[in-house]
Amino acid sequence: DIVLTQSPGTLSLSPGERATLSCRASQSVNSNYLAWYQQKPGQAPRLLIFGASSRATGIPDRFSGSESGTDFTLTINRLEPEDFAVYYCQHYGGSWPFGQGTRVEIK
Amino acid sequence: EVQLVQSGAELKKPGESLKISCKGSGYIFPNNWVAWVRQMPGKGLEWMGLIYPGDSDTRYSPSFQGQVTISADKSINTAFLQWSSLKASDTAMYYCARTQSNSFDAFDIWGQGTMVTVSS
Repeated sequence: DIVLTQSPGTLSLSPGERATLSCRASQSVNSNYLAWYQQKPGQAPRLLIFGASSRATGIPDRFSGSESGTDFTLTINRLEPEDFAVYYCQHYGGSWPFGQGTRVEIK
Repeated sequence: EVQLVQSGAELKKPGESLKISCKGSGYIFPNNWVAWVRQMPGKGLEWMGLIYPGDSDTRYSPSFQGQVTISADKSINTAFLQWSSLKASDTAMYYCARTQSNSFDAFDIWGQGTMVTVSS
């Protein structure tokens, strides 16, 4: 089974800074099947990125995704106050495992 | 508007049975997989399984196979998650979500969640 490992566990940044979140797969995966979600306290998750780099409908362009082999990255440029949340990566395509999450908190 | 609306919070005792629901609207319900995702208090997301309402094809996570039953009734645009005998460890928020397309895909629409509390 594919295991996704996210790092760091917590990222402490200030508004306006850039956040770089990592997601590593335990084996080679099809990059077409990698998604990122944002979850705020008390809310359901929201799809940000699918296919490793395609933004979902209505997602601002400060969110971007990229991949290099088994490593996937979510970058948030110029953090806005509403971006402080927990982010999960997920592989899909027969099984749908999530990473354990990265919390982006205000420094 | 495309949405998934879940049934309300539940408080149950260990050993009791439970069936929670997820009703889709604003799209052709049989044509997208519906997933169930568990989130235990203070923890991350865990996929439990998915069902394709069009033909009831169901896929379970190995972690949840045999522990829960996922079903759907396409005539009422509703998917279900059920337990035959709840445990305290089933206490969690449960989300349903649909896939973006009719194939294996990311989850683009989520329900609001159903909180299940199991306590004696």
